Amino acid sequence: QKEVEQDPGPLSVPEGAIVSLNCTYSNSAFQYFMWYRQYSRKGPELLMYTYSSGNKEDGRFTAQVDKSSKYISLFIRDSQPSDSATYLCARGEETSGSRLTFGEGTQLTVNP
Amino acid sequence: ETGVTQSPTHLIKTRGQQVTLRCSSQSGHNTVSWYQQALGQGPQFIFQYYREEENGRGNFPPRFSGLQFPNYSSELNVNALELDDSALYLCASRLRQSNYGYTFGSGTRLTVV
Repeated sequence: QKEVEQDPGPLSVPEGAIVSLNCTYSNSAFQYFMWYRQYSRKGPELLMYTYSSGNKEDGRFTAQVDKSSKYISLFIRDSQPSDSATYLCARGEETSGSRLTFGEGTQLTVNP
Repeated sequence: ETGVTQSPTHLIKTRGQQVTLRCSSQSGHNTVSWYQQALGQGPQFIFQYYREEENGRGNFPPRFSGLQFPNYSSELNVNALELDDSALYLCASRLRQSNYGYTFGSGTRLTVV
């Protein structure tokens, strides 16, 4: 079993739709979670970062963590064509030298 | 614009050769990690350096090695290149005490033929 599982998609939605991206993880060691966005031929760009369970909102983006079910989500409201990218969830552990374990990424296309 | 720069952006090497990839981290970032990202996959952790010493390593063989320098630059060296080493190599840095995630560079696309 992979440490972080993510549905690779691809996912295609119309402009203005609400997008839901999801990951599950194993290993309950103290950890933090991130969502990165990666455009084609670019490095990952940090979108959201959270330690705790619950919701964290930043503009059109909401990150949700449920540690009891080991489930993390990213919601994108009012999606735009510029949101078309690959979205990577990641889990970090301070006990392992803060290495990040990534899911395989979900490719999102927002159609105008 | 990212504060982490990597060079070169693209590279083609022959199987069996050696390669050195370079990264310049954001000033003050004392922790640097390297990741390998195969096409269609998430990045895989290679190793991490903190204050010029390796302090974490992923499931990669010893022919993957690195260095971190006092000026916040670092190198990834790969010996005896194999076809499966073809990937995007990403450098990421952060201030260890920071509560924020790593800042990634745009990567070096390595093709081994």
